[in-house]
Amino acid sequence: QKEVEQDPGPLSVPEGAIVSLNCTYSNSAFQYFMWYRQYSRKGPELLMYTYSSGNKEDGRFTAQVDKSSKYISLFIRDSQPSDSATYLCAMSGGANNLFFGTGTRLTVIP
Amino acid sequence: ETGVTQTPRHLVMGMTNKKSLKCEQHLGHNAMYWYKQSAKKPLELMFVYNFKEQTENNSVPSRFSPECPNSSHLFLHLHTLQPEDSALYLCASSPGGDPSYEQYFGPGTRLTVT
Repeated sequence: QKEVEQDPGPLSVPEGAIVSLNCTYSNSAFQYFMWYRQYSRKGPELLMYTYSSGNKEDGRFTAQVDKSSKYISLFIRDSQPSDSATYLCAMSGGANNLFFGTGTRLTVIP
Repeated sequence: ETGVTQTPRHLVMGMTNKKSLKCEQHLGHNAMYWYKQSAKKPLELMFVYNFKEQTENNSVPSRFSPECPNSSHLFLHLHTLQPEDSALYLCASSPGGDPSYEQYFGPGTRLTVT
């Protein structure tokens, strides 16, 4: 079983739509949860970082962590064409490990 | 230069060649990492260096040899690679020495092994 499962998509939405991206995981020791955004021909950049359960909001982006269900989500409100990228979830239990999902490719159509 | 830089951006090499990838970070961070990114696979953490000391080696084949002469520079020496080693190799840095810290990635080196 993979440590982290993420639907690879691709996902296409019209501009202005609400986007929901999700990952599930199997290791209950994970405490640090991240979302990275990767544009074509670029390295990933950190978008959201949360510790343990709960919600975190930053502008149009909201990250949710549900440790009881081993499920994390990233919501993008009022999506823009500039949000078109691959979104990677990542999580860690500390101790020098970090596990990524395969990434979901998102296209926002003007 | 700002952030994390990597050279070369593209590399084609034969299976008998020896080459090196270079990474430099201008962020004053203490930790640096090498990752492998293959199509439709999760990003794989290969090596972790904290204050120039290697703290993690995730069962990477010996044909990949890292070197970290100081906290700002990281190399990945390559020799006798296999075609399945073709991938995007990403370097990252972070303020602290654990991958759970926020990491800053370079643009990557696209490696093709022929």
